[in-house]
This record gives sequence, C-alpha cells and structure tokens, in this order.
Amino acid sequence: AQKVTQAQTEISVVEKEDVTLDCVYETRDTTYYLFWYKQPPSGELVFLIRRNSFDEQNEISGRYSWNFQKSTSSFNFTITASQVVDSAVYFCALIRRSNFGNEKLTFGTGTRLTIIP
Amino acid sequence: NAGVTQTPKFQVLKTGQSMTLQCAQDMNHEYMSWYRQDPGMGLRLIHYSVGAGITDQGEVPNGYNVSRSTTEDFPLRLLSAAPSQTSVYFCASSYSIAYEQYFGPGTRLTVT
Repeated sequence: AQKVTQAQTEISVVEKEDVTLDCVYETRDTTYYLFWYKQPPSGELVFLIRRNSFDEQNEISGRYSWNFQKSTSSFNFTITASQVVDSAVYFCALIRRSNFGNEKLTFGTGTRLTIIP
Repeated sequence: NAGVTQTPKFQVLKTGQSMTLQCAQDMNHEYMSWYRQDPGMGLRLIHYSVGAGITDQGEVPNGYNVSRSTTEDFPLRLLSAAPSQTSVYFCASSYSIAYEQYFGPGTRLTVT
C-alpha cells in the first residue's frame, strides 16, 4: 500500500514571506516517483515537478524549490518570496513502479495556500 | 494541440439517471485516468487505462464504468447516479504513469 500525507490543510502567509509545504509519503517499493501539482482558484491542475526515488538532489526553479529526503520519506516544497499568484491548492502525489502493470497514482489531500497582499 | 478535453463542464442529474462523461486527448498518450475531487479528500482514482482495450479499477470504482476503444477517448459512465457521486471529475493522460499527468478542465457534476 502507498500513502501520501499533507498534514497542513491550510496555510496563510503575508506576501513576500517564504513558505514550506510538507509532504510525507509511505511506500514499500524502492522505485517510485513523486510529483507536485498546483490547482489555482480557476480549478485546473498544473504539473510542477517530478522526482524519481533514485534522485535525491534538491531542485530549484525560480522561487520554487523542492527538498527530497528518503531518510524521512519527505518531499517538501518551498516558495520563496511568495506572491499573490501563488495562492492555490497544492497536491503531492506518489506512484510506485512495478513490473506488474498495476501502478496507481496516489494523491495527498492537498494544502490550501493563501498569500495575503 | 487541444490537450485533454472534457465534456460537459457542468451537469445536473437526478438520482437514478445515467450519463457519460467524455474525455479525449490528442497527444497520443497511452495512459489515461479518471479522478474525482471532493473537499478535503484530494483526488481519488476511479478507473485507469494503460492502452486501448485495457482498463482497470482505481480506488473508488463502484458506480462507474469505463471503456477504451481508441487511444484518444476514455469515457466514464455513471450507471445510476447517486447523490454521493456529486463531485468534480477530472480526466488525465500521460505518456506513461511515471510521467506527469495532463489534466482536463474538469466536469462539475451534481446529483439531486
């Protein structure tokens, strides 16, 4: 079984503050992939990043950065100098990779981030 | 490319009615899936397909049927709508399950 936990249901920060969204996952597999998706108020789902279990390097993309730590089964997402446009629901997701063709993507329950101007 | 398209965008059904939510993609993706999104529960997988003619159940398949006769289309059928099926439904496709999913705009379904 696999599970993704996003313990922070809602977060509010003032614009320009940094904010970290937590994601903790559970899987017995050694090969798996982790994702982050953004859902702005308009409702569409936007892919942000994909990371495989063999690559623990942190990733930075502009104001966004991701910290993947297998030792703590976490894949946290940090927004630096937050902006109002960052207000959205953010989902973390996990899929294991097997040879049996039954991979299923599991999403966390999401974190609603509100940036206060 | 239109990406992933879903129709209709909104639908209201009465309990017991049936309907089909349409999903199509023009990216030649093998993997397609249906999710429902409910408040506080994230996205839950209903059914998925790894290619034409191949489908399988996800986490919450009861009350829904799917088929995949072509690579492009993956319709979701509600057999006998129930109020518990009130939700927002998203269709997604990807080159492979290990790659990013491309989501459609969603269908907001209300069952009264």
